[in-house]
Amino acid sequence: IVLTQSPGTLSLSPGERATLSCRASQGVTSGYVAWYQQKPGQAPRLLMFDVSTRATGTPDRFSGSGSGTDFALTISRLEPEDFAVYFCQQYGASPWTFGQGTKVEIK
Amino acid sequence: EVQLVESGGDLVQPGGSLRLSCVASGFTFDDYMMHWVRQSPGKGLEWVAGISWNSGVTGYVDSVRGRFTISRDSAKNSLFLQMNSLTPEDTALYYCSKGGIAARHPFDSWGQGTLVTVSS
Repeated sequence: IVLTQSPGTLSLSPGERATLSCRASQGVTSGYVAWYQQKPGQAPRLLMFDVSTRATGTPDRFSGSGSGTDFALTISRLEPEDFAVYFCQQYGASPWTFGQGTKVEIK
Repeated sequence: EVQLVESGGDLVQPGGSLRLSCVASGFTFDDYMMHWVRQSPGKGLEWVAGISWNSGVTGYVDSVRGRFTISRDSAKNSLFLQMNSLTPEDTALYYCSKGGIAARHPFDSWGQGTLVTVSS
């Protein structure tokens, strides 16, 4: 399953809303979609799983949505620590695959 | 606290071999599926291989199948990746990551990675 994320880069200011898209080449089994955040020089960190369940420690300004082939991660109000790269992943069918990432940068 | 510590990355010539290790702590290693994920410089994430809790099931991305072998040792709480016939396309930071009790589970903990460079 190929995951395509858009946009490649999102330039926003702190306090603004961010919406990241992840489109799958075929339906993702039972909504097994996760989102990861990666900051420079760090390993990825699990943010969301099962489309809309927040991982431990994920602030409630993060929310996930979608079904079938279209999924989204929304950050309601960007905080300075949210500027990073975000990857979606499907884990419903092997090989597990990731999107190419969306960079959220400070405008 | 879950900790995953990778080692074994190095500079190797094309056609060479390397064995990566990952020592796990802070959870019951025997209960969980484990994975290797790689990230090429400045690029995205690619799942490389996974292994079930009892080593009964393994899986690989097509580009490494037949060249890489994933394994685990419960006595040492360790995960391994034997990499043979390496090519420059295998150059990447290799992460060890923890899956779930079931196969369909996200990767909820990651190590800091070990760098593999394949170059002459």
